[in-house]
Amino acid sequence: DAGVIQSPRHEVTEMGQEVTLRCKPISGHDYLFWYRQTMMRGLELLIYFNNNVPIDDSGMPEDRFSAKMPNASFSTLKIQPSEPRDSAVYFCASSPYRVSTDTQYFGPGTRLTVL
Amino acid sequence: KQEVTQIPAALSVPEGENLVLNCSFTDSAIYNLQWFRQDPGKGLTSLLLIQSSQREQTSGRLNASLDKSSGRSTLYIAASQPGDSATYLCAVSPAGTALIFGKGTTLSVSS
Repeated sequence: DAGVIQSPRHEVTEMGQEVTLRCKPISGHDYLFWYRQTMMRGLELLIYFNNNVPIDDSGMPEDRFSAKMPNASFSTLKIQPSEPRDSAVYFCASSPYRVSTDTQYFGPGTRLTVL
Repeated sequence: KQEVTQIPAALSVPEGENLVLNCSFTDSAIYNLQWFRQDPGKGLTSLLLIQSSQREQTSGRLNASLDKSSGRSTLYIAASQPGDSATYLCAVSPAGTALIFGKGTTLSVSS
């Protein structure tokens, strides 16, 4: 398997623009997670899905952020409008979580810079 | 609210040295604890997972321990190599799914 795929790898945009980050999880994984990593706050969970259904979105910072998972092989994280403080690396991860020893598999991340 | 702390934030050692990375968490009600490695510009890779009923896990030169009652875990790296240079992240799982991460320890091993 190719692993978790994220696109784009780098995104530079101007304040106020809409940004869409994309993720393709590993086939067969029922759980999908979106994280954000900054120097100040470290790695934080934004939202996660189980079988395409959002389970916990308490980490989504505000209404400007939204996430969808229209099918088992694709998810998006959208920021509208973007602000400079949204600059961070956004990671997508997936997991089968079929047994207690299953872990999460991370994508390479999208580095977002909002000017 | 669960908080995970990693000390030190950065560590530099010469090649061949044995070293210990520390992780502490505030709520002992965890499902498991994991150690990840992150290389610059890359995603995270799982190194070791310790279930709440276990005390330690080993993989090659790595050994991770868990003391739930005191809210502590350590990652022991034996005979460190320059290839071990990376950021090491500790994460706890309150319910077996979502993870709460520490900010990591950045390790530099010089040859």
